[in-house]
Amino acid sequence: EVQLLESGGNLVQSGGSLRLSCAASGFTFSSYAMSWVRQAPGKGLEWVSAITASGASTYYADSVKGRFTISRDNSKNTLYLQMDSLRAEDTAIYYCAKDSHSGIVVANDYWGQGTLVTVSS
Amino acid sequence: QSALTQPASVSGSPGQSITISCTGTSSDVGNYNLVSWYQHHPGKVPKLMIYEVSKRPSGVSNRFSGSKSGSTASLTISALQAEDEADYYCCSYAGGSTYVIFGGGTKLTVL
Repeated sequence: EVQLLESGGNLVQSGGSLRLSCAASGFTFSSYAMSWVRQAPGKGLEWVSAITASGASTYYADSVKGRFTISRDNSKNTLYLQMDSLRAEDTAIYYCAKDSHSGIVVANDYWGQGTLVTVSS
Repeated sequence: QSALTQPASVSGSPGQSITISCTGTSSDVGNYNLVSWYQHHPGKVPKLMIYEVSKRPSGVSNRFSGSKSGSTASLTISALQAEDEADYYCCSYAGGSTYVIFGGGTKLTVL
């Protein structure tokens, strides 16, 4: 059974940092691209970042470029999102999601339960 | 880049069919056959319903179908059921410096 378990969400002050983790199991983690998607309170889904299966290529939304860093450790089956210079508008539930290919094909077939990040101003 | 354009809400009665549109540009929906649709019940995890414009993942009802014409993708749900009431989001690969873009979401109400 595929499982994605996010952790690391917390209350942090504006300008602070957080590191989210997503522990994967039930599939060959190193074979699939992964993404982070967030949902701010009362808002829709927003793509944040993605990384290819090997980790060689990373992609970011303009809203987080230069502040967030996505990475993965295929030996630990874990996806990360380092979040720096946090702003109030980064407040959201952050989901990790598995793509169905080694590259980005926006077919996210499994999602974690999400972890809440709250940035206080 | 702005989100893909979806109607804020649609509604239908049980047994009817509804269609949700998703309008992008020649840089995203119009340029790639990498459009997906997600069903999201509040408080639950988003679920992939359609990928690559019209493909259905295993386990998704054949009442759900997807299509695309030019820069507009569509999700059709036939024989509406109460359990279909949820938020629906389209998503497209956009390449360039945008990469991935979601629609604003559509709230489906089953009357």
